[in-house]
Amino acid sequence: DTAVSQTPKYLVTQMGNDKSIKCEQNLGHDTMYWYKQDSKKFLKIMFSYNNKELIINETVPNRFSPKSPDKAHLNLHINSLELGDSAVYFCASSMRGGSTTEAFFGQGTRLTVV
Amino acid sequence: QQQVKQSPQSLIVQKGGISIINCAYENTAFDYFPWYQQFPGKGPALLIAIRPDVSEKKEGRFTISFNKSAKQFSLHIMDSQPGDSATYFCAASHQAGTALIFGKGTTLSVSS
Repeated sequence: DTAVSQTPKYLVTQMGNDKSIKCEQNLGHDTMYWYKQDSKKFLKIMFSYNNKELIINETVPNRFSPKSPDKAHLNLHINSLELGDSAVYFCASSMRGGSTTEAFFGQGTRLTVV
Repeated sequence: QQQVKQSPQSLIVQKGGISIINCAYENTAFDYFPWYQQFPGKGPALLIAIRPDVSEKKEGRFTISFNKSAKQFSLHIMDSQPGDSATYFCAASHQAGTALIFGKGTTLSVSS
């Protein structure tokens, strides 16, 4: 079973469109994240949710909106897509302050805006 | 302001050699320092991690050395193998299980 799964794996879309990326974890973790990896492989935190509540919202355009319907799911909706949004988006999960501290990452969603 | 600085950006090592990647951090509130390994097309995966109350941690061929006073930590890969060729990221967080601040990554190539 995949611990953290994201869909879709690839997403090609035109500028101005709205798209969503879905993430699910089956590890029983209480904290989920979205990270963005740019073309130079730099990984940066975008959002962090703990028990369905937003606890980190880094400097991210408000066109990006995370939604957490329950502790096992964290979706990312992006409005009015721009060329600069092209990147790989990773979902991750962890147990905050737990004895097992590892953050597990999904396989990523490669978003290409044309 | 980059909170975790990583070097070198790329590294080429011969099979059997030692690979060394260095990181420095600024925020003394960080108390969890993991290293992640990423293969092309895959998500990062935890390799090894350390907390600041320990100066060294070893797991198999991988060792983290931690210098709290210098605010530096490094990854040593002994007997490097072609299968170790990947991108390595150091990271830090304020509390284990919370958001990670990553270094910019090191692309390691191990030649056979």
